Amino acid sequence: AQSVSQHNHHVILSEAASLELGCNYSYGGTVNLFWYVQYPGQHLQLLLKYFSGDPLVKGIKGFEAEFIKSKFSFNLRKPSVQWSDTAEYFCAVNAGRAGGGADGLTFGKGTHLIIQP
Amino acid sequence: DAMVIQNPRYQVTQFGKPVTLSCSQTLNHNVMYWYQQKSSQAPKLLFHYYDKDFNNEADTPDNFQSRRPNTSFCFLDIRSPGLGDAAMYLCATSSLLASKTQYFGPGTRLLVL
Repeated sequence: AQSVSQHNHHVILSEAASLELGCNYSYGGTVNLFWYVQYPGQHLQLLLKYFSGDPLVKGIKGFEAEFIKSKFSFNLRKPSVQWSDTAEYFCAVNAGRAGGGADGLTFGKGTHLIIQP
Repeated sequence: DAMVIQNPRYQVTQFGKPVTLSCSQTLNHNVMYWYQQKSSQAPKLLFHYYDKDFNNEADTPDNFQSRRPNTSFCFLDIRSPGLGDAAMYLCATSSLLASKTQYFGPGTRLLVL
């Protein structure tokens, strides 16, 4: 079974600060990795994803994440945050089975990010 | 815009009274999922449909059922809601023919009195 651990449940930063949110997963096989964001009052939206290839993936709104297989990690980064980045961030994983697979996502508990003006 | 729609956004039911939550999608995706998210917890997969094939998670209580009458609609039925079933219920869809990314609806918040 898969599991996902997000180290920081609450993060408070000032605008223009750099951001890194940690995510580690536990799974013995190939994985697909995702970061989702949930802005206040809105639904979960995909920030970025990793299936294969370049381990550094870029997503929307200036976010990026790096897959480090040896560390089972997929940390989310942004060099300069904005007030509008205040949201809940979820790391998620499912089995990366070639040729298909409708596996659901296993989510981390989320990180509540507050950006102070 | 193509999207995942959930109705209602808020649902109040009584202890033990059956309730149905609905999800529809205009994405024409072949997979639909139901997740339960309790306060301050991660979303947890209940089950999913791959076309008409139903796939239940091993730890999903029998109290939870699902129906998918066609590609566009999927329902979550809670036969006898208990106080512990109060949660946000999220519907998601994906296409295994495309990106396999899951797209989420806004959720239905269920309150059990």
